[in-house]
Amino acid sequence: DTEVTQTPKHLVMGMTNKKSLKCEQHMGHRAMYWYKQKAKKPPELMFVYSYEKLSINESVPSRFSPECPNSSLLNLHLHALQPEDSALYLCASSLDRATNEKLFFGSGTQLSVL
Amino acid sequence: AQKITQTQPGMFVQEKEAVTLDCTYDTSDQSYGLFWYKQPSSGEMIFLIYQGSYDEQNATEGRYSLNFQKARKSANLVISASQLGDSAMYFCAMREGRRVQGGSEKLVFGKGMKLTVNP
Repeated sequence: DTEVTQTPKHLVMGMTNKKSLKCEQHMGHRAMYWYKQKAKKPPELMFVYSYEKLSINESVPSRFSPECPNSSLLNLHLHALQPEDSALYLCASSLDRATNEKLFFGSGTQLSVL
Repeated sequence: AQKITQTQPGMFVQEKEAVTLDCTYDTSDQSYGLFWYKQPSSGEMIFLIYQGSYDEQNATEGRYSLNFQKARKSANLVISASQLGDSAMYFCAMREGRRVQGGSEKLVFGKGMKLTVNP
């Protein structure tokens, strides 16, 4: 099983809503990542979890709140988002954070904030 | 400063022909990894090939090969025998070692380039 599964695939939310994005992998990977990708741009790193602990936060606004309940799951809680937060949110995992470890990506959640 | 540079915004190639996608990088670390990912319109980032900075041989994965020129800091992707399904965005990415100041094994992507394979 070499899959990273993200749900939902599409999400439309208002600026006052609270929603969550979910990511799951069963490859035994110990590093998990959230990336944000605007249209026609490269993915930009948001958060890195290593062994279920937050190790990197790329100065992401607090309206984005990551959570890693266990080694297979990664959530991104969304609250009071802005229209400019509309983007494709990609989850990824890797065996660990070593330089040579490739990241496996999910298909992403396309988020629209109205 | 940009760590990964992909200067070609888009390329067109005929089916069954070979194509080279350019990538240059900038790092002060001796230990780093270079990656190429493909992103079709479906959105998923698909890993294609990896080259380590200490690898002496150019990496190959099926129809994909990486032309690694360390002194020039370039890591060009070569796709042989293009197929219609190769039409997608292609991203070059780098992961530096922990010892680099500001480096944290983050995978940093270039701007990407769009490849279109014509029948």
